[in-house]
Amino acid sequence: QQPVQSPQAVILREGEDAVINCSSSKALYSVHWYRQKHGEAPVFLMILLKGGEQKGHEKISASFNEKKQQSSLYLTASQLSYSGTYFCGTENKAAGNKLTFGGGTRVLVKP
Amino acid sequence: DSGVTQTPKHLITATGQRVTLRCSPRSGDLSVYWYQQSLDQGLQFLIQYYNGEERAKGNILERFSAQQFPDLHSELNLSSLELGDSALYFCASSVTSGVNTGELFFGEGSRLTVL
Repeated sequence: QQPVQSPQAVILREGEDAVINCSSSKALYSVHWYRQKHGEAPVFLMILLKGGEQKGHEKISASFNEKKQQSSLYLTASQLSYSGTYFCGTENKAAGNKLTFGGGTRVLVKP
Repeated sequence: DSGVTQTPKHLITATGQRVTLRCSPRSGDLSVYWYQQSLDQGLQFLIQYYNGEERAKGNILERFSAQQFPDLHSELNLSSLELGDSALYFCASSVTSGVNTGELFFGEGSRLTVL
């Protein structure tokens, strides 16, 4: 079951903050976040394994609410380099090792 | 450079044809994953192998098949190609294949165009 991401796209000015949400209808083992720049392969940002766990990558952090089967990615004080498409990937308890990605959120950071 | 090698990088073929995409995982990684990404779309999980055995399957078409060889490289075979099969096919590898998948390292992808 594919997780649902929102919003589909966001435009920011450099220095602004944004939140990307990822939700699943299934109980989750883990949530993964990847960023893909145009014409490139997706690159790993972080994995969240426990309910409530928060991880960080530079000024990008994430949280995982296991109970609500949701994760949020926080882009803080965004930089031009944050532009790209962000994908959340989920592993759910019913489907085992299948890492399924959401539809992606396009982020454009403008000067 | 992720350490994952995919060949060919680009492939143009006609409908009804068959192609094989090849992936060499990072040294030491036992798991290989295949994903399909259509134009400006998300990453659709196709199939996963761990140390030569199929571990998980997504919505992979019956016209598609894959395998992982003893040297751990993997091949994705696409047959009876249709226009809608045009996409970027990514291979990724990881060390783990326990309950939780670890970090995936993606190759640069093979772009398939079916005319």
